[in-house]
Amino acid sequence: QVQLQQSGPGLVKPSQTLSLTCAISGDSVSSNSAAWNWIRQSPSRGLEWLGRTYYRSKWYYDYAVSLKSRITVNPDTSKNHFSLQLNSVTPEDTAVYYCARDPDWAPFDIWGQGTMVTVSS
Amino acid sequence: DIVMTQSPDSLAVSLGERATINCKSSQSVLYSSNNKNYLAWFQHKPGQPPKVLIYWASTRESGVPDRFSGSGSGTDFTLTISSLQAEDVAVYYCQQYYDTPRTFGGGTKVEIK
Repeated sequence: QVQLQQSGPGLVKPSQTLSLTCAISGDSVSSNSAAWNWIRQSPSRGLEWLGRTYYRSKWYYDYAVSLKSRITVNPDTSKNHFSLQLNSVTPEDTAVYYCARDPDWAPFDIWGQGTMVTVSS
Repeated sequence: DIVMTQSPDSLAVSLGERATINCKSSQSVLYSSNNKNYLAWFQHKPGQPPKVLIYWASTRESGVPDRFSGSGSGTDFTLTISSLQAEDVAVYYCQQYYDTPRTFGGGTKVEIK
């Protein structure tokens, strides 16, 4: 049974970096048939896909254009997890953040539990 | 990017009545080589992650009650709840997985009238 477990702080100060980790059990971050995503949800924007990483003989990374200058998604094969870093946060980045798996040519099927992140001084 | 547009934004339906949610994509999500629509519907309740209800536009996920059904093809899709139950109160999203970035509709909030 595949599970994703998120960890990271729930409060980040403006201009600082938001960092979250998603630990994978029952699958591998190096899977050749899935991608590992970060998605957030806020009342103003609904569900917003942020970025992903996946392995197909080498590592690939895709990011939302609106965040491309601020976001990094990194795999860690030694710990079988992947992380999100979002730099220079503002209160607009306040949201519930989710990690999620999407198998090739299928919708997001496994989700983390969600982390409410508030950007405030 | 493929833009997904849902309507209505919110919907109040009496218990046991039908709820219908529409989703339109800015370009076709039908892959001609396999005749599959790369369109899913999610249910999102407060405090929980979203849950996939329907994929390939009309295939119900295992365990999802048969009062939920999906239809449509190409650019126009519909999620129908045939007989609304109290536990169906949630926000519903369509999502395309035809292309990257994966994109969601704006969501439809379903409430009891």
